[in-house]
Amino acid sequence: GENVEQHPSTLSVQEGDSAVIKCTYSDSASNYFPWYKQELGKGPQLIIDIRSNVGEKKDQRIAVTLNKTAKHFSLHITETQPEDSAVYFCAASIRSANAGGTSYGKLTFGQGTILTVHP
Amino acid sequence: DAGVIQSPRHEVTEMGQEVTLRCKPISGHDYLFWYRQTMMRGLELLIYFNNNVPIDDSGMPEDRFSAKMPNASFSTLKIQPSEPRDSAVYFCASSLRGQEAFFGQGTRLTVV
Repeated sequence: GENVEQHPSTLSVQEGDSAVIKCTYSDSASNYFPWYKQELGKGPQLIIDIRSNVGEKKDQRIAVTLNKTAKHFSLHITETQPEDSAVYFCAASIRSANAGGTSYGKLTFGQGTILTVHP
Repeated sequence: DAGVIQSPRHEVTEMGQEVTLRCKPISGHDYLFWYRQTMMRGLELLIYFNNNVPIDDSGMPEDRFSAKMPNASFSTLKIQPSEPRDSAVYFCASSLRGQEAFFGQGTRLTVV
C-alpha cells in the first residue's frame, strides 16, 4: 500500500519568513496530493491540493510543488503569520474518473508537521 | 450548512464499557469517513461509506469496532468493549462525489 513520509516533524519560523514542508510517497500510481491544516481542537481542513498533471499550484501565500519522477511534493508558505501556526498534513491518493465525476481514492496521510510562527 | 457535526466532543469511559460516537454529515454529501488520530499512528482511515453502504472497512482495528450508517444524515461508530488503547480523537468527515473531505470537530475518547 501507499506510504507517505513527511518532514520535518516540527518547524519554527519568525513571522514573515517562509516555511517549507516536504513529503515523499511510495506508490507511483498516486495522482492526487492534498494538504490539510489542523488547528488546536479542530478537524483537518483542506488548504490546497495538486493533481499529477501539474507541477505547481499557488493560492495567495501558499504553493505546492510536485515532482512525480522523484515522488515528492512540498508545501511552501510565504510571509508567514502567527495564525499560520498549526499542524499540517500531506496526503496522497489515487483518484479515477467515473460517470458521476471523480471516484474517491483512499487518502494516506503523512505524520504531520507542527508549524510555529513566532511574532 | 453547519458542517459535519460530531457528538459527543469528549467522552471518558471505563475499560469494558460500550462507546458510541455519532456523526451527522453535511447534507447532500454521499461519502462518509471515520478516522482515528493518535500521536503514534497519526490519521488513520477506519471505514468509509458511499451512499450509506460500507465500502472499505479494512482500517477497522478489531471486531470490537463497528460502524453503521442507517440513513444519509447519520452514522455511528461503536466500540464494545472499549480498551485503554482505543483512546484517541475520532473524526468523521463527509464528501460530495469523492471530492474535498470536510472534517468534523472530532470526539476525544479517553478509556480509563
